[in-house]
Amino acid sequence: GEQVEQLPSSLIVQEGASVLINCSYTDSASVYFPWYKQEPGKRLQFIIDIRSNMERKQTQRLTLLFDKKTKHLSLHITATQPGDSAIYFCSASSRIFFGDGTQLVVKP
Amino acid sequence: EAAVTQSPRNKVAVTGGKVTLSCNQTNNHNNMYWYRQDTGHGLRLIHYSYGAGSTEKGDIPDGYKASRPSQENFSLILELATPSQTSVYFCASGERRANTGQLYFGEGSKLTVL
Repeated sequence: GEQVEQLPSSLIVQEGASVLINCSYTDSASVYFPWYKQEPGKRLQFIIDIRSNMERKQTQRLTLLFDKKTKHLSLHITATQPGDSAIYFCSASSRIFFGDGTQLVVKP
Repeated sequence: EAAVTQSPRNKVAVTGGKVTLSCNQTNNHNNMYWYRQDTGHGLRLIHYSYGAGSTEKGDIPDGYKASRPSQENFSLILELATPSQTSVYFCASGERRANTGQLYFGEGSKLTVL
């Protein structure tokens, strides 16, 4: 079945820094890749997505890059704020598989 | 905004007991999902449903049953709870059958099996 791997598992940065979260998947049938953010003790919330016919998508401080050939995605977060501290999950559409998440801590 | 509510939010059960986790969504989504979240494992899919009366096995269905009696409700049933089922359980709903749309999550149900 599909496997989704996410790296790194954790990140600690100073406020204002940029971060990069990487995600790889295995199933070529996956065509849709949503990302979610989970603040401590809260539900997962959708933050950005990309479809397999796109290479890049940007919304506010988030940029999502997609490489269909290498089955790789990257989420770039710029000008981080303490409110960005959360676990970030990559997922792949074929039966909605999730990576293990990246714990981001932004220090003020 | 999509509304998915879970109950109970916290549950302590004894080994061998029966546990039912309930999920209700008010957005007329066809698809509903149950996941468990454990440290180091992300979210793992237990059961899912494409509509009332349908349930499908996910990746880790052993020890769990699911029931979808209506469009709005999707339950996860642990007939004989075990300590290994201690976890946080999330329900989610989505509107696209081809799994090409975002999911809307409930707030989670923390289950402790003693």
